Amino acid sequence: QSALTQPPSASGSPGQSVTISCTGTSSDVGGYNYVSWYQQHSGKAPKLMIYEVNKRPSGVPDRFSASKSGNTASLTVSGLQAEDEADYYCSSFAGTNNFVFGTGTKVTVL
Amino acid sequence: EVQLVESGGGLVQPGGSLRLSCAASGFTFSSHWMHWVRQGPGKGLEWVSRIKSDGSSANHADSVKGRFTISRDNVKNTLYLQMNSLRAEDTAVYFCARSGYSSGWYYFDYWGQGTLVTVSS
Repeated sequence: QSALTQPPSASGSPGQSVTISCTGTSSDVGGYNYVSWYQQHSGKAPKLMIYEVNKRPSGVPDRFSASKSGNTASLTVSGLQAEDEADYYCSSFAGTNNFVFGTGTKVTVL
Repeated sequence: EVQLVESGGGLVQPGGSLRLSCAASGFTFSSHWMHWVRQGPGKGLEWVSRIKSDGSSANHADSVKGRFTISRDNVKNTLYLQMNSLRAEDTAVYFCARSGYSSGWYYFDYWGQGTLVTVSS
């Protein structure tokens, strides 16, 4: 199972928006509405930000939103804040009891 | 408060074995599917294994199939990963993660801090 493709980096100034893409295939992202997104600060454990394509767990700011079209999912962080600087990973159920993660995107707040 | 605390990592020679543990608290452990996810040094996340809430079913990534075995003890509220025939490419921080449930058990809603496994001679 190949990793989902994410851009290595993305950046924006405070208050701006940044969108991260996550491209898979019809066997994972395109085949199921089970895409989730995780934020990982350096040296820390990942944190769930989005599940089932566009659902936000309680406690996650509504500045974080997500969607999916075909084989590509996207995460948008609006109103960028300094604490949003982190690595972001998408994940998808990939059928036959497998899961796959994205390659990761480092978000920098300029 | 949900807590997941991994232990058992360390330095092991290629071909050796190690057993990781993950002690869970703050939730009904026996009600949740559980996973192991690893992250190589400077690399991304890689799903390793998952086990059903009652332990009756388990799955492993192709990269570890036949070498790693996930298991659980719902009395001790502990998740395990038995790792055999270890290779250099298994070097990673190993996280245990709880599966959250919405329309299925398809995301990871809580993570431990991880335990480092280094495979080297």
